[in-house]
Amino acid sequence: GDSVTQMEGPVTLSEEAFLTINCTYTATGYPSLFWYVQYPGEGLQLLLKATKADDKGSNKGFEATYRKETTSFHLEKGSVQVSDSAVYFCALSERRGNNRLAFGKGNQVVVIP
Amino acid sequence: DAGITQSPRHKVTETGTPVTLRCHQTENHRYMYWYRQDPGHGLRLIHYSYGVKDTDKGEVSDGYSVSRSKTEDFLLTLESATSSQTSVYFCAIATEGNQPQHFGDGTRLSIL
Repeated sequence: GDSVTQMEGPVTLSEEAFLTINCTYTATGYPSLFWYVQYPGEGLQLLLKATKADDKGSNKGFEATYRKETTSFHLEKGSVQVSDSAVYFCALSERRGNNRLAFGKGNQVVVIP
Repeated sequence: DAGITQSPRHKVTETGTPVTLRCHQTENHRYMYWYRQDPGHGLRLIHYSYGVKDTDKGEVSDGYSVSRSKTEDFLLTLESATSSQTSVYFCAIATEGNQPQHFGDGTRLSIL
């Protein structure tokens, strides 16, 4: 079935560093792709999305480009802040069906002042 | 916020007891979902609903049942709770097709 793979392990970096979180997917059709963010004690919030190949989603300085040829949707931010510390989830949704989401396991990001 | 309320927010109960979690939405969205979140597993879909009285299973549905008698409420029931069902449960809603899902703040359930 459809699946999403995120890089293993937490990510720790200093304030103003460049952030990349890798996400690759397996899907039979043409999925929409999403990044969600979860702050401590809260639910998931949609960070950005892309619905077709070569689309770039962006929000709050974060970007991700839908790469069909490499089945990837890597999340990037040029200069992180302490407030970006959170767990980030990559997810996909097939166009057909009942909008079911398949999630990656998430990456804890810790930004140190 | 997307107008989603989960109740209770925290619950501690004993093995073998029935538990019902409630998700209430004020958005009139057609789709509603229940997920569980566990360390190392991300979020996994338990059940979902695509309309009143229309529900289907997700990838981890064993031991859970759901009901949706009206658009705004989606109930998740553990008929006989087990310790393996200790988790954080999230409800989500969506409009149609591949539109993003919006999540509630979660219910932390501990089964002793």
